[in-house]
Amino acid sequence: DVKVTQSSRYLVKRTGEKVFLECVQDMDHENMFWYRQDPGLGLRLIYFSYDVKMKEKGDIPEGYSVSREKKERFSLILESASTNQTSMYLCASRPPSGRTDTQYFGPGTRLTVL
Amino acid sequence: GESVGLHLPTLSVQEGDNSIINCAYSNSASDYFIWYKQESGKGPQFIIDIRSNMDKRQGQRVTVLLNKTVKHLSLQIAATQPGDSAVYFCAEVVENAGNMLTFGGGTRLMVKP
Repeated sequence: DVKVTQSSRYLVKRTGEKVFLECVQDMDHENMFWYRQDPGLGLRLIYFSYDVKMKEKGDIPEGYSVSREKKERFSLILESASTNQTSMYLCASRPPSGRTDTQYFGPGTRLTVL
Repeated sequence: GESVGLHLPTLSVQEGDNSIINCAYSNSASDYFIWYKQESGKGPQFIIDIRSNMDKRQGQRVTVLLNKTVKHLSLQIAATQPGDSAVYFCAEVVENAGNMLTFGGGTRLMVKP
């Protein structure tokens, strides 16, 4: 059974802290994505990666960075967390073929920044 | 800019009735559309997709209709069950834009027993 896992389901951090959100997939997928999900705004793409050590900005990259040192792991980094980064963060992965039914999502990390 | 959106943020239906969730899109270049279901505490799960050269596609208890004339997409769920309660998202994909997904805001479906 395919699986995308995220390191934490719930996280509470203080303003200014450095935050790491980890995502791991066991499907040998090349493509991995980080989204944030906010009420009424749907899912918005933060960053994505097509391969190891490769990263591309999505629609809302400001305040975030990413790291893809290994194929199975894609990390989202908040260098200095702010309250407007309180959100649900979703990781996803898919193979390069782009079949529509093969984008898999993790369970999400609900981050609260105080 | 181009966008994908939903008409109704919340839809409440009686168990056993049919549900219709709507989505408007504005990018006529979209190659296909996907419906996702997101249950509480879980990530989105693929339900069904439809390519832009199709008008209708059926799955198990679900049907997606695409009206390109008015740029409208709908998801129909037959005999709605309590387990269908979730947030439903439509997303559009433009293949020559790297197969990136553009999501709508989501509709919450509540099924009353």
